[in-house]
Amino acid sequence: EVVLTQSPGTLSLSPGERATLSCRASQSVGSDYLAWHQQKPGQAPRLLIYGAYRRVTGIPDRFSGSGSGTDFTLTISRLEPEDFAVYYCHHYETSPATFGQGTKVEIK
Amino acid sequence: QVHLQESGPGLVKPSETLSLTCTVSVYSISSGLYWGWIRQPPGKGLEWIGSINHSGTTYYNPSLKSRVTISVDTSKNQFSMKLNSATAADTAVYYCASAGSNPLGAANWGQGTLVTVSS
Repeated sequence: EVVLTQSPGTLSLSPGERATLSCRASQSVGSDYLAWHQQKPGQAPRLLIYGAYRRVTGIPDRFSGSGSGTDFTLTISRLEPEDFAVYYCHHYETSPATFGQGTKVEIK
Repeated sequence: QVHLQESGPGLVKPSETLSLTCTVSVYSISSGLYWGWIRQPPGKGLEWIGSINHSGTTYYNPSLKSRVTISVDTSKNQFSMKLNSATAADTAVYYCASAGSNPLGAANWGQGTLVTVSS
């Protein structure tokens, strides 16, 4: 099973700042098989990025994904008020699919 | 965009079977894609449970495989999950999701339903 470790656990930033979220895999993951989901309180997760860097239609371009192998990054270039949420990375190359424990982006 | 809605009892007694159904709309479940279940215990992270396609091909998380069964009813455009021998550790929000062409993916999520296992 691929274990995904996200860091930091919590990121305290102000609107307009840049957020950099890390996801490290316990073994190499094909870039086609790493996704990022956003979850706001009381809501279901929402897919933002798939295939490591491909944005879902309708997702603002301030969200970008990068990385390969065991190290992946989600970057939010300029935080908007609606971006404060929990973000999960998700590997879907081999069974079982696994998720990281989440990074909470909170307002400083 | 595909819409998914979970339904089922919100309270299940320990040792009983947890049963949920996901109704898919705006998209045919027979399209050839995969459809999955994911759960989230209160205040915790996400756990992939398993998935199925229209022909009944299933994938399960090994940690739950002995207790879970996922099935599909194409005539109703629904898929379902049964989890046997429920315990308090199975208390969670259960989400159904469209997985896309990859059985392990999660593209569109239902709103989720909280199931509590308690006597």
